Amino acid sequence: KNQVEQSPQSLIILEGKNCTLQCNYTVSPFSNLRWYKQDTGRGPVSLTIMTFSENTKSNGRYTATLDADTKQSSLHITASQLSDSASYICVVRTGANNLFFGTGTRLTVIP
Amino acid sequence: GAVVSQHPSWVICKSGTSVKIECRSLDFQATTMFWYRQFPKQSLMLMATSNEGSKATYEQGVEKDKFLINHASLTLSTLTVTSAHPEDSSFYICSASPLVDTQYFGPGTRLTVL
Repeated sequence: KNQVEQSPQSLIILEGKNCTLQCNYTVSPFSNLRWYKQDTGRGPVSLTIMTFSENTKSNGRYTATLDADTKQSSLHITASQLSDSASYICVVRTGANNLFFGTGTRLTVIP
Repeated sequence: GAVVSQHPSWVICKSGTSVKIECRSLDFQATTMFWYRQFPKQSLMLMATSNEGSKATYEQGVEKDKFLINHASLTLSTLTVTSAHPEDSSFYICSASPLVDTQYFGPGTRLTVL
C-alpha cells in the first residue's frame, strides 16, 4: 500500500534552534519527493524537490535529504525563525504521476 | 514565478445553498488542475482532476453531482459545491499543472456552511 508517514506530528522549538523532520514512504514506483511549507490558512508552497539520484538539496536554511534505498527523507531547518512556524508536508510522486501526501508536521517556533 | 489564485479566499453560506470557487493560473496555462479538500490538522485529500475541455475525474467517494467541476479554459477551473451542508465545511485548495510533474497550489478557500 502506498503511504507517506511523517514524524513528529508536531514540534515546538526555540527561535534560533535547528530541527529535523522525517518522512518515510512506501510509494512505488518512485518518481520524486517534494517538501512543502503550508502556512495556516494558505496553500502549500514547494521548498525542495528530489529525484531518485539526489541525496541532498538545499534551499536557504532548508536542507532535504533522500535515501531511496530505505525510502526515507528528512528536512532540516537551520537557525529557525518565527516565520518558520507552519505545517511541513512531504509529498511523493509515482511514476504514474499520482501524488501521495503525508499528514504533515506542525512546527511551532517560539521566541 | 508561477502563481495560482483562488476566489473567494473565504465564504460563509447557509445550508442548502450552492457555492462556486474559482481557481486561476495567472501567468501560465494549465491543461490540468486539481481540487483538494483539507480538514483541520489533516493533509490534503485529492477530490478530482480536471482537464481543460473534458469531464473531471473524481476520486473514489467524492460525489460528482455534489462537487461540480468546470475547466472551461487553460487558466480557469471552477468548483461548485451544490446544496452545501455543514459537513462540507472545509479548506478547499486547487493546484494547476503546467507540466506533467509540476503543480502549483493556490492559497485555498475556507468554506463554512451554517
